[in-house]
Amino acid sequence: DGGITQSPKYLFRKEGQNVTLSCEQNLNHDAMYWYRQDPGQGLRLIYYSQIVNDFQKGDIAEGYSVSREKKESFPLTVTSAQKNPTAFYLCASNPGEQVYGYTFGSGTRLTVV
Amino acid sequence: GQNIDQPTEMTATEGAIVQINCTYQTSGFNGLFWYQQHAGEAPTFLSYNVLDGLEEKGRFSSFLSRSKGYSYLLLKELQMKDSASYLCAVGDSNYQLIWGAGTKLIIKP
Repeated sequence: DGGITQSPKYLFRKEGQNVTLSCEQNLNHDAMYWYRQDPGQGLRLIYYSQIVNDFQKGDIAEGYSVSREKKESFPLTVTSAQKNPTAFYLCASNPGEQVYGYTFGSGTRLTVV
Repeated sequence: GQNIDQPTEMTATEGAIVQINCTYQTSGFNGLFWYQQHAGEAPTFLSYNVLDGLEEKGRFSSFLSRSKGYSYLLLKELQMKDSASYLCAVGDSNYQLIWGAGTKLIIKP
């Protein structure tokens, strides 16, 4: 079955470390997204990519980086520059422009220790 | 700016009906979505409205008034498994989804 796989489900990071969250989809979707969710807040867009080798900053991109070398993969790196990284991170994909069909991964909960 | 408002929390009784409201102000409009999210899990799609009126799907219905910037999600015959957060999201002029903070629905026996 097609879907999006996020790994790991839980991740612990020491202060000052970079960590990378994995997101893989086999839906043949062109667009992929990374969201951050904090308690009592809606999903906030970190980065998105509409096509391979191209990505755009979302509303809260500072302290994060991404790459889109393959259509199937859109990893997110949380750098040491992100001052408050503890959150629930969701990856999503969509077929393409002007089309809706968002599919979400199961999420990664990142905790700074 | 862009803004989506929905109540933070609601409580209802098993078997009853509950209406969750959502008001929005966005740059452009390309449809309104409702998603259900259980704690610690990914959001799952419930409904999509792009034209005014009521869309019914089993126990769940969603209503849209574009002129008022208003939508509601109606849940009938509430079950304990309906305890979750319900997220309202609007597609803006760039077909990006703008999300509300979500409404936590608590179902009591």
